Amino acid sequence: DAGVTQSPTHLIKTRGQQVTLRCSPKSGHDTVSWYQQALGQGPQFIFQYYEEEERQRGNFPDRFSGHQFPNYSSELNVNALLLGDSALYLCASSLSRTGSQYFGPGTRLTVT
Amino acid sequence: DQQVKQNSPSLSVQEGRISILNCDYTNSMFDYFLWYKKYPAEGPTFLISISSIKDKNEDGRFTVFLNKSAKHLSLHIVPSQPGDSAVYFCAATGAWGNTPLVFGKGTRLSVIA
Repeated sequence: DAGVTQSPTHLIKTRGQQVTLRCSPKSGHDTVSWYQQALGQGPQFIFQYYEEEERQRGNFPDRFSGHQFPNYSSELNVNALLLGDSALYLCASSLSRTGSQYFGPGTRLTVT
Repeated sequence: DQQVKQNSPSLSVQEGRISILNCDYTNSMFDYFLWYKKYPAEGPTFLISISSIKDKNEDGRFTVFLNKSAKHLSLHIVPSQPGDSAVYFCAATGAWGNTPLVFGKGTRLSVIA
C-alpha cells in the first residue's frame, strides 16, 4: 500500500515564475492538506481540499491556489514566486471520517 | 504570534536514558495534541497523541503528559535509542477530524550511543 507521494522532489525556480506541485494521497484517503515548512520552522497550514473543493484555508495570499481531482490527487500552485516562498512543501492526506493525517516526503522549492 | 512553542531547538541524550521534549501552547481552544517525528528527506510521521480530557497517554517507550492548567505538554522517551535521533514536532488542533494542525518549530533530538 503506497503512502502519500509527492512530485517533484526538488525544484528550482526564479522569482516571478509560477510553480505546480503534485500530491497523490494514501490509498483510500479523500482529503488532502498542504503545509509549508520554512527553514527552522514548523509546518504551516496552507489549505485543505475535500470533494474537489477548498474546505479550509490558512493565512496565505491568493498567489497560493490548489486543486483536487476526482481521484483525490491534488496540486498546489504558486504564482509570482518570491524568495520567501523557498520552503519544503508537505502534503498530508486523511480520510474525512477519521482525520489522522499522513504526510508525504515533501517537495523542496528553491526560489532564486 | 506562535500558538505552539517548543523552546528547546535541540536536545542531546545518552542511549538508554530518558529524553524529555517540552511544548507550550497559548490557545485554550486546542483539544488534541500530537507529536510527530521527522527524519531528513522524509515527511513527519505521527508518533502519539493526547486528548485534552486526559493527562497521560502511553505507547510503548513513548509517553505524553498534558498539564492543561499550565498549557504544557511533554513527550518522554524511555529508554532512548540512537534510532530516535530526529526532529520532533509538537502539534495542536481544535478538534479531531481534519482540522488544521498548528505546529511548533521542532526540537532536534540526538541520542548518543
